[in-house]
Amino acid sequence: IAGITQAPTSQILAAGRRMTLRCTQDMRHNAMYWYRQDLGLGLRLIHYSNTAGTTGKGEVPDGYSVSRANTDDFPLTLASAVPSQTSVYFCASSTGQGPYNEQFFGPGTRLTVL
Amino acid sequence: GQNIDQPTEMTATEGAIVQINCTYQTSGFNGLFWYQQHAGEAPTFLSYNVLDGLEEKGRFSSFLSRSKGYSYLLLKELQMKDSASYLCAFMDSNYQLIWGAGTKLIIKP
Repeated sequence: IAGITQAPTSQILAAGRRMTLRCTQDMRHNAMYWYRQDLGLGLRLIHYSNTAGTTGKGEVPDGYSVSRANTDDFPLTLASAVPSQTSVYFCASSTGQGPYNEQFFGPGTRLTVL
Repeated sequence: GQNIDQPTEMTATEGAIVQINCTYQTSGFNGLFWYQQHAGEAPTFLSYNVLDGLEEKGRFSSFLSRSKGYSYLLLKELQMKDSASYLCAFMDSNYQLIWGAGTKLIIKP
């Protein structure tokens, strides 16, 4: 593994189903993030984690949950998917939180909720 | 409140120079980032400015004026592969990135 990986690459999901998007990084970064990207809007932060064992809510956390059991993995769960959660989801990581910390992005998961 | 704005789309000619502007408003500021995103791909880091002035990196330069809440990305000697969306984002007082919607740059031969 080099950098950040996400799985699946794409998924079509029936409304009401539960779904977990996976994210793994091998850069030993402390901070990790989940964003969604919708046409015409900027990336919006869903949840973040500054270090293993801690998580925080971003701008649009409703309907999503995360966990950070270790440094490498940061899964995002949709407990009961709704069509408005159709989006492209990007996981990102950075060395730490604070100035000068650029974020590195995974390739994204394209999710369609019908 | 916080907001950030950049043009939706720009067109330029191969070999030319283009400047993509970004304006922002925030009470807490910890720097401004520019990212490049090709269609269907992940954003990749281009530049970071936290002090006023111009930072040059090869064909790409980024400028920041904190007092004016203004930044621009300057791309020189445009190549077809520069066709992409360019995202600006500022880091707020909580160290979170607030993103613009992106500027789609179309390069014509």
